[in-house]
Amino acid sequence: GAGVSQSPSNKVTEKGKDVELRCDPISGHTALYWYRQSLGQGLEFLIYFQGNSAPDKSGLPSDRFSAERTGGSVSTLTIQRTQQEDSAVYLCASSQHRAVKNIQYFGAGTRLSVL
Amino acid sequence: DAKTTQPPSMDCAEGRAANLPCNHSTISGNEYVYWYRQIHSQGPQYIIHGLKNNETNEMASLIITEDRKSSTLILPHATLRDTAVYYCIVRVAPAYRATDSWGKLQFGAGTQVVVTP
Repeated sequence: GAGVSQSPSNKVTEKGKDVELRCDPISGHTALYWYRQSLGQGLEFLIYFQGNSAPDKSGLPSDRFSAERTGGSVSTLTIQRTQQEDSAVYLCASSQHRAVKNIQYFGAGTRLSVL
Repeated sequence: DAKTTQPPSMDCAEGRAANLPCNHSTISGNEYVYWYRQIHSQGPQYIIHGLKNNETNEMASLIITEDRKSSTLILPHATLRDTAVYYCIVRVAPAYRATDSWGKLQFGAGTQVVVTP
């Protein structure tokens, strides 16, 4: 597609359930990022992928959060045993590696609501 | 990356220029100034970036002071669709970054810009 695609756009789950959020980056972009934005809060970095490896996982808030990327393309963010404080918009972005501008292109996000 | 300071909010009349200030007094020589905006319920959108020279593109102009300690984003003719939160971000250029720290954006609170008719 032309832009970064995220699915689902909305996800409602019960506390304690596991959820998977998907990101399809722009074709050819080797760098992929996950951020989250809680209600009324700023954007918080979670994890960065270069190809299939994640050299920076420093933003993952707990071991309930994990992410993987396969084929240098699609990425999945998994949250295990969801808690109410996990409710947020999860945003994915991609960019060309080592490009001078390093512009990150964002998807529309997945709005996660944990009841 | 250097920290930035922006006013929390500002209003602008439609059709007028919007001047958004950003202070980055601790910026270092290899750090760029980037501007992104986030329209309600959308992901952030890149606007413009610069190192020390003023920059202009189809969306905006970026004026960086000579000492690089502050900058101003200018939306020349604001429209209602420019209502958004605008983020000023300072970050090291990719070529200077170690691989494991390369790329992430550190967003502050930004400036909520409301364009009114």
